[in-house]
Amino acid sequence: GAVVSQHPSRVICKSGTSVKIECRSLDFQATTMFWYRQFPKKSLMLMATSNEGSKATYEQGVEKDKFLINHASLTLSTLTVTSAHPEDSSFYICSARDPMPGGGNEQFFGPGTRLTVL
Amino acid sequence: QQQVKQSPQSLIVQKGGISIINCAYENTAFDYFPWYQQFPGKGPALLIAIRPDVSEKKEGRFTISFNKSAKQFSLHIMDSQPGDSATYFCAASMVGTGTASKLTFGTGTRLQVTL
Repeated sequence: GAVVSQHPSRVICKSGTSVKIECRSLDFQATTMFWYRQFPKKSLMLMATSNEGSKATYEQGVEKDKFLINHASLTLSTLTVTSAHPEDSSFYICSARDPMPGGGNEQFFGPGTRLTVL
Repeated sequence: QQQVKQSPQSLIVQKGGISIINCAYENTAFDYFPWYQQFPGKGPALLIAIRPDVSEKKEGRFTISFNKSAKQFSLHIMDSQPGDSATYFCAASMVGTGTASKLTFGTGTRLQVTL
């Protein structure tokens, strides 16, 4: 089946530092990846759509300069939280779309990254 | 226009019973409707999905019922088990590439299956 990995699974950092989260599709090539943020007991909030070889498309209200997204290859997208602050503490999850023949639209999610900013 | 409304917010079902979660959407351009299961501290896992050209899809104990005219779809979990206790999210999207395929999620249903 389609497997998406994320690294790291947990990260604790000091306020003002930058944190990079990696998202990899392990057994398929993903032209499109998505980054979500999830607060406790809440639904997933889409932050941005990451397209291989082009700029990410950010959702309204998401700061582009704070959440840098790079999709340099068909199997890797990265999210960098720049100058992190305690309010950036959250569960960050990526997903990758498996472009199946015939118009399939399945998205498979990574295991998530718990970010804690002190 | 982009919302997906999900109910109930929480659900308690006895072991062996049927769990039913409902979702309603507004955007008639949506044509892909997946359900995800999420355990605490984990990413969502794709359970089952349906396209609007069929009214029902069954995979094991999980069934999606789809009513295109009412713009509603539901997840039925037959013979619910304690291991099914999790949060379930419905979602909807258009089939396409890039941002067209982004998912709009419901608010989630916390299911607890008791012994």
